Amino acid sequence: GGIITQTPKFLIGQEGQKLTLKCQQNFNHDTMYWYRQDSGKGLRLIYYSITENDLQKGDLSEGYDASREKKSSFSLTVTSAQKNEMAVFLCASRTGGGSDYTFGSGTRLLVI
Amino acid sequence: DAKTTQPDSMESTEGETVHLPCSHATISGNEYIYWYRQVPLQGPEYVTHGLQQNTTNSMAFLAIASDRKSSTLILTHVSLRDAAVYHCILRDGGSGNKLIFGTGTLLSVKP
Repeated sequence: GGIITQTPKFLIGQEGQKLTLKCQQNFNHDTMYWYRQDSGKGLRLIYYSITENDLQKGDLSEGYDASREKKSSFSLTVTSAQKNEMAVFLCASRTGGGSDYTFGSGTRLLVI
Repeated sequence: DAKTTQPDSMESTEGETVHLPCSHATISGNEYIYWYRQVPLQGPEYVTHGLQQNTTNSMAFLAIASDRKSSTLILTHVSLRDAAVYHCILRDGGSGNKLIFGTGTLLSVKP
């Protein structure tokens, strides 16, 4: 069986800092997604990628950049961390035409 | 994008059958209904999905209304391990087949 790994699991940053979150999957899945989860709210899509070097903006892309240089990895950059920001960032992947989406266990971000 | 509406929380007791409702009144014809569940410190886990017909698997039974404007996830003989947030989600039929999440239902299970 495959696995989807997010690093780091916990991230503490400072206001204004650029922060990068990484996601790796060994399913050979085509499409990968980055979601943000805030307390009491549903997951909101930040970026997704249909294939290597493809990037598509979601509803919440402002303030973020993404990179898909390899099929197996998808990284997300917070371009300027906001003070007191606290959220969980979840990565997911899916094979083209498949019905299952597999999620990582998340990166928990706290900005001080 | 179409959205889903779920109760914030529900309670149950071990061994019971639980019906988790979801409303998706503006669902489009090509949007699938997905259910995922999530426990603390983990990402969402796939439960089931369907388009029009009721579906069943080892985890749950999904009942979809004939007009597709609502669905119900049915969990039988719940155990403490079934305590989680249950997300009712629509899958966008367009580019990327994005999952569109609502806020989810927190299911608590008493011994």
